[in-house]
Amino acid sequence: RKEVEQDPGPFNVPEGATVAFNCTYSNSASQSFFWYRQDCRKEPKLLMSVYSSGNEDGRFTAQLNRASQYISLLIRDSKLSDSATYLCVVGGSYIPTFGRGTSLIVHP
Amino acid sequence: DAGITQSPRHKVTETGTPVTLRCHQTENHRYMYWYRQDPGHGLRLIHYSYGVKDTDKGEVSDGYSVSRSKTEDFLLTLESATSSQTSVYFCAISEPLSGGGNRQETQYFGPGTRLLVL
Repeated sequence: RKEVEQDPGPFNVPEGATVAFNCTYSNSASQSFFWYRQDCRKEPKLLMSVYSSGNEDGRFTAQLNRASQYISLLIRDSKLSDSATYLCVVGGSYIPTFGRGTSLIVHP
Repeated sequence: DAGITQSPRHKVTETGTPVTLRCHQTENHRYMYWYRQDPGHGLRLIHYSYGVKDTDKGEVSDGYSVSRSKTEDFLLTLESATSSQTSVYFCAISEPLSGGGNRQETQYFGPGTRLLVL
């Protein structure tokens, strides 16, 4: 069983839609959680950290459920520019584990 | 911007030849990493370094070696390239993330090197 699992998608949604991704992890001792965004043929870039209390950054909301060992990312009012692959990352301060990513396609 | 550059950005080579990829950082980060990314596999750690001359293996280290003789440079060498090493290689650094309830380390990536082994 892979340590960090994500639905690869693709999630194909219209502009303005709300979309949610989940990511499950197997190591209950994990302490740090992140979402990264990766555009085609580019490097992964940090989107946001995920805190136990949940956190929001504009249209993006991240949640952590330690009891069920999953994290989620909610994107509201999707834009065409949100089309990308979203990577779930679970740490291991210095050796994080990356999920394989969930592909999002936002269409007009 | 974590000040990470990679060179070369693209390379085509032949099976059996040695190849060295360079990662350069300008902000004195202690931790540096080499990953490869392939369809269906995601990002996989090859080697990492936690200081000058201090390195350790990741999950896919066979066929690769690394060196870190100074803080700013982390070199990845394919001793004898094989077609299975055709991939996109990313370097990353680790940096404390401020603002959280607990200090968290996060990674910032270089732009990547696309390597084709024929």
